[in-house]
Amino acid sequence: QVQLVQSGSELKKPGASVKVSCKASGYIFTSFSINWVRQAPGQGLQWMGWINTNTGVPKYAPGLTGRFVFSLDTSVSTAYLEISSLESEDTAVYYCLRERYSYGQREFDSWGQGSLITVSS
Amino acid sequence: QTVVTQESSLSVSPGGTVTLTCGLRSGSVSSSYYPSWYQQTPGQAPRTLIFSTDKRSSAVPDRFSGSILENKAALTITGAQADDECDYYCGLYMGGGIWVFGGGTKVTVL
Repeated sequence: QVQLVQSGSELKKPGASVKVSCKASGYIFTSFSINWVRQAPGQGLQWMGWINTNTGVPKYAPGLTGRFVFSLDTSVSTAYLEISSLESEDTAVYYCLRERYSYGQREFDSWGQGSLITVSS
Repeated sequence: QTVVTQESSLSVSPGGTVTLTCGLRSGSVSSSYYPSWYQQTPGQAPRTLIFSTDKRSSAVPDRFSGSILENKAALTITGAQADDECDYYCGLYMGGGIWVFGGGTKVTVL
């Protein structure tokens, strides 16, 4: 079955970097895009962008700073979200999602379990 | 900046019906926005309930239904159960590969 398994929780200091992984299984990785969504504590969902797993080209949400970078390693069916120069406001759970687009339908049909990134001195 | 609106909270009696809506601060929602709905219980990842306006995701019970009502996307829960008490988010596809989520609705079953 389709699964997205994310890396575990991390505690980072302000100014550091972190790389969240999202390993896909149960399907052909390059056939579906991967989206990223974050949720700050007690807040709603914020769509961050997506990456074309076939071309490696990312699309970032308007207003998302250059501190956020999406990447891939297709040899291991894994997508990555790297955040640099971490700020306390980056404390959140980060989710990866598979997006299915076929026959005129769009669906986020699989969610990772989430990765909690805590930024604190 | 696109703003997607949702009720902050709604309540429903057990066995009752409640409708959540998803609108745009500027403009009307239509099926071309591929409206989708997500359910999130505390401490868990969201799960997709409805996509492309009215399509139920895998294993979603048919008491959840999606539609367009008066220029907004709508999620209707019919025959509400205690475990329907949680947060619900809508998402709209704005074109150009861009999605926006609403702020979420907290549903209470009482």
